[in-house]
Parts: sequence; C-alpha cells; structure tokens
Amino acid sequence: DIVMTQSPDSLAVSLGERATINCKSSQSVAYTPQNKNYLAWYQQKPGQPPKLLIYWASTRESGVPDRFSGSGSETDFTLTISSLQAEDVAVYHCQQYYRTPPTFGQGTKVEIK
Amino acid sequence: QVQLQESGPGLVKPLETLSLTCTVSGGTIDSSTYYWAWIRQPPGKGLEWIGSIYYNEGTYYNPSLKSRVTMSVDTSKNQFSLSLKSVTAADTAIYYCARHRSGFFSPIEYWGQGPLVTVSS
Repeated sequence: DIVMTQSPDSLAVSLGERATINCKSSQSVAYTPQNKNYLAWYQQKPGQPPKLLIYWASTRESGVPDRFSGSGSETDFTLTISSLQAEDVAVYHCQQYYRTPPTFGQGTKVEIK
Repeated sequence: QVQLQESGPGLVKPLETLSLTCTVSGGTIDSSTYYWAWIRQPPGKGLEWIGSIYYNEGTYYNPSLKSRVTMSVDTSKNQFSLSLKSVTAADTAIYYCARHRSGFFSPIEYWGQGPLVTVSS
C-alpha cells in the first residue's frame, strides 16, 4: 500500500494568516504520460463527512474558495490556505488514488491561534 | 445534486455481520461513469477505504478487509450495500457511503452523513 504521511498533525494559525499542510507519499503518485498527480485534499468539519477541496494535486473543486490551493508532484504535496478564516477550522486529509487501495493521510487539525 | 443516505443497525454484536445499505438520490446508480464506495473512520481517527463497486457489480476491495467484505448493487432500488462479517471492536467506526468523481481511479466527490456503527455485546 502507498503510505500517506501528513505534517504537522495539528497547527494553530491566526486569522488572516497562512496555513500550510504537507503530505508525503511513500511512492510517486504521478502518472507521467498524462502529467497528472493522483492526489486529493479533503476538509472535514466536526460531525460532518469530508468534503473534496482539491484533486489532481492542484485543481480546485467547484465552489471552493480560491484561498485554498494545492501544489506539489510525485511524492511531496502541499495544501495552502492563504488567509485563514474562522470557517476553515477543520481536519484536512490528503488521499492518493493512483494505486489500489486508495489511502489517506492521518489528518491535520487546523485551529485558530 | 447527488445525495447518499446510509441505513442499518447502529449496534452489532462481536463475530456477527455488519450490514449497511446506501440509498442514492439525485442520480442513477447504473450510470456507466461512476464507482460507488464505502469508507470508514474509527472515532477520532483517520479514513480507511473499504471497497468500491460498479453498477455491473465489478468490485475493488481493500486487501486488509477483503476476506470479510462483500458489496452489492440493487439498481432497481438505486442502492448499494456493504456486508462485513465476523466483526470485532476494531470495526467500530463511522461508515460512509460515497461516490467517486468518475471512474475508480478518481477522488471521492459525494459522501453520505455516515452513521456510527458500534461493535459491542
């Protein structure tokens, strides 16, 4: 299985400041012929199911605010919230869908400082 | 807008079979585009993919659970189901039904609310 490791496990950021979450895969999730990275990011608020934010490592899902951005390739990926808002308090998960079984990171909890 | 709703017992005894059904609305389960999935989350922990199924009952299962999992589709009811046998306390989790964004190798676009299923005598 591809192991997904997120860092940090939690972070506290002031309102309006930048939040950065890292995700590392144990092997590349890039499909070179298509120039695509099979990596998604989800946001999960308390008591709710996850919500898809970003896929193909950097494509924002429809309706997701542009303060959320994804970057990276092959084994190293980053989710950035450019200006943290109160409604962004949540746990964020990365997921690879390159190989079966699809696997998730352990989650990163984002709080307000 | 696609909506998914899980149904089934919230309490299962050890060594018995956990059975859940997902009812899909706002879309048809027999679309040739999508895979349908089960994903679980133990309380306070991360997400674990259980398996995915296609309308023609083609399946992918997580190898770690494959010996205990069966998934099925009922296109007449627009439902798909999960059966997990010989459960233990380690199977206590929120169980989400979900839909991939397109084929199997795609992210999860829609999620049900997910009931907590507790394994306890």
